[in-house]
Amino acid sequence: EAQVTQNPRYLITVTGKKLTVTCSQNMNHEYMSWYRQDPGLGLRQIYYSMNVEVTDKGDVPEGYKVSRKEKRNFPLILESPSPNQTSLYFCASRTGVNTEAFFGQGTRLTVV
Amino acid sequence: GIQVEQSPPDLILQEGANSTLRCNFSDSVNNLQWFHQNPWGQLINLFYIPSGTKQNGRLSATTVATERYSLLYISSSQTTDSGVYFCAVELYSSASKIIFGSGTRLSIRP
Repeated sequence: EAQVTQNPRYLITVTGKKLTVTCSQNMNHEYMSWYRQDPGLGLRQIYYSMNVEVTDKGDVPEGYKVSRKEKRNFPLILESPSPNQTSLYFCASRTGVNTEAFFGQGTRLTVV
Repeated sequence: GIQVEQSPPDLILQEGANSTLRCNFSDSVNNLQWFHQNPWGQLINLFYIPSGTKQNGRLSATTVATERYSLLYISSSQTTDSGVYFCAVELYSSASKIIFGSGTRLSIRP
């Protein structure tokens, strides 16, 4: 089954404790991206990647890192999480420009 | 930047009713998708519809790209249709990201 898989689905952590949210897709898609969803602010892009080893900042990249060492994986790294990074996170993938995007199940992160 | 506006922001209906959700966008777009975010937060693909009309069961969508709008029709609503409906567009000028509208929150009462 074609899918985008995020892990974990839920995470509660403490300020400053490094964490990684994994994202994997099995559709051989070139494009992958991360979004966060916050009440009143909608979904905003954090980082995106157009291919292996090619990443760039989205609208709200501060406090996040990403890597794209393999086509299928695009982890989101929070080196020192803070409470303002409490949010619902989505990973997405698509073949390329002008193609349908598929989203993971979401990761609900709480930083206390 | 581009504005993606959805209306109405909230809609409460009885089971069995029909509804039309609208998405207006202020710039030329490569493509447009409709999503349903269910009460568990998952984003479910409904339609990939850069132009024209598509139907899937009780749902259908129409995009008129030249007039910069899209419509999502839901017929014979069921309680499982509740949630937030988003349209999302990809710009010609910035194909690296998808821009979401603010959503329409649909509540279907039994």
